[in-house]
Amino acid sequence: DTGVSQNPRHKITKRGQNVTFRCDPISEHNRLYWYRQTLGQGPEFLTYFQNEAQLEKSRLLSDRFSAERPKGSFSTLEIQRTEQGDSAMYLCASSGRDRVHEQFFGPGTRLTVL
Amino acid sequence: DAKTTQPTSMDCAEGRAANLPCNHSTISGNEYVYWYRQIHSQGPQYIIHGLKNNETNEMASLIITEDRKSSTLILPHATLRDTAVYYCIVRGGSEKLVFGKGTKLTVNP
Repeated sequence: DTGVSQNPRHKITKRGQNVTFRCDPISEHNRLYWYRQTLGQGPEFLTYFQNEAQLEKSRLLSDRFSAERPKGSFSTLEIQRTEQGDSAMYLCASSGRDRVHEQFFGPGTRLTVL
Repeated sequence: DAKTTQPTSMDCAEGRAANLPCNHSTISGNEYVYWYRQIHSQGPQYIIHGLKNNETNEMASLIITEDRKSSTLILPHATLRDTAVYYCIVRGGSEKLVFGKGTKLTVNP
């Protein structure tokens, strides 16, 4: 169990640029989640995958946001035409069949949009 | 998922028990109570969950009232490393966790 990893850990970009984040879940975890957290707030759910299928998306996930999990392993979250309001910590979590009640979170990717 | 209410902040002396309350008066019969914590600059960490019965693990104990409208997370011997934001979450059939603002617990030496 090497934990959930996320890359990059920090990203600074200019408004209007596209960014992509990667999440590697704990191996054999079939469920993967993306959350976003702004300063002083709890994490907000963005989307959820079971294997490669994206089963739930929040209304927070605008058309500029897209997430994929092509082979049911790692996932990517892309934000197109970034806005200053996109500045936040983006958290990934995974869970497996044996401990379905636990979501294991990664350290997050901190995005700053200038 | 039912909404939860937690105090904004609490203090605890190192070595003493920390008791963190949570109200979830609209909880449904099939909804679980979860507790997560988030230490500064880290991702949230699962602590414990329960449905009706009290639960205990190596990290904490969870006491759920008989009517299930409130619960208490107990850290039996708080240490400085337990300083964190603690989130009480109620979840039913949905996969997502709905976080509130949580309780900021400060453990003082």
